Amino acid sequence: GEDVEQSLFLSVREGDSSVINCTYTDSSSTYLYWYKQEPGAGLQLLTYIFSNMDMKQDQRLTVLLNKKDKHLSLRIADTQTGDSAIYFCAESGYNQGGKLIFGQGTELSVKP
Amino acid sequence: AAGVIQSPRHLIKEKRETATLKCYPIPRHDTVYWYQQGPGQDPQFLISFYEKMQSDKGSIPDRFSAQQFSDYHSELNMSSLELGDSALYFCASSLAGLPKNIQYFGAGTRLSVL
Repeated sequence: GEDVEQSLFLSVREGDSSVINCTYTDSSSTYLYWYKQEPGAGLQLLTYIFSNMDMKQDQRLTVLLNKKDKHLSLRIADTQTGDSAIYFCAESGYNQGGKLIFGQGTELSVKP
Repeated sequence: AAGVIQSPRHLIKEKRETATLKCYPIPRHDTVYWYQQGPGQDPQFLISFYEKMQSDKGSIPDRFSAQQFSDYHSELNMSSLELGDSALYFCASSLAGLPKNIQYFGAGTRLSVL
């Protein structure tokens, strides 16, 4: 079945850039999303990218998509302590009827 | 802007009891999704509804049922609760027909089964 994989942990210093990576298997994926979850909280949509794009920038966030390798990354510039959270990559595609398939989440820890 | 509203935020039940979780989608959204997130896990799709009809079904136990009402709110009914049902339950809503299928999530209901 469809699968989405992420590394589990990332630690960076405040002010550095963070890069969170994600790989997926479903070639019919149409949109790919990044959600942020703070402790005990809900899922906040950060950004998304359509599968025919290879880059999208939104303020401090840059999403890169390599469709050939089925690899997605989220770069956070000038990472702040408030960015500490779990980041989920998710995909939806024609074969999935709209439901989201999530990765395991990457816990980002930002040290002052 | 209005968001997805879930109630209750927290729920404590005993084994074998029943629970009902409610979800009020963003106004004009016609599609509702339910997800279950176990401790330290990623959200897993349970079930979805479009225009009050079930549109897709995931790993939802037979003990659970759900429906979407005429005002588009949805309820997830859980019976014969087990310890393993303890999790965060999210509802998300979207507007079908748009290519992005952006799902907006509620804050979740944290269910603890004792």
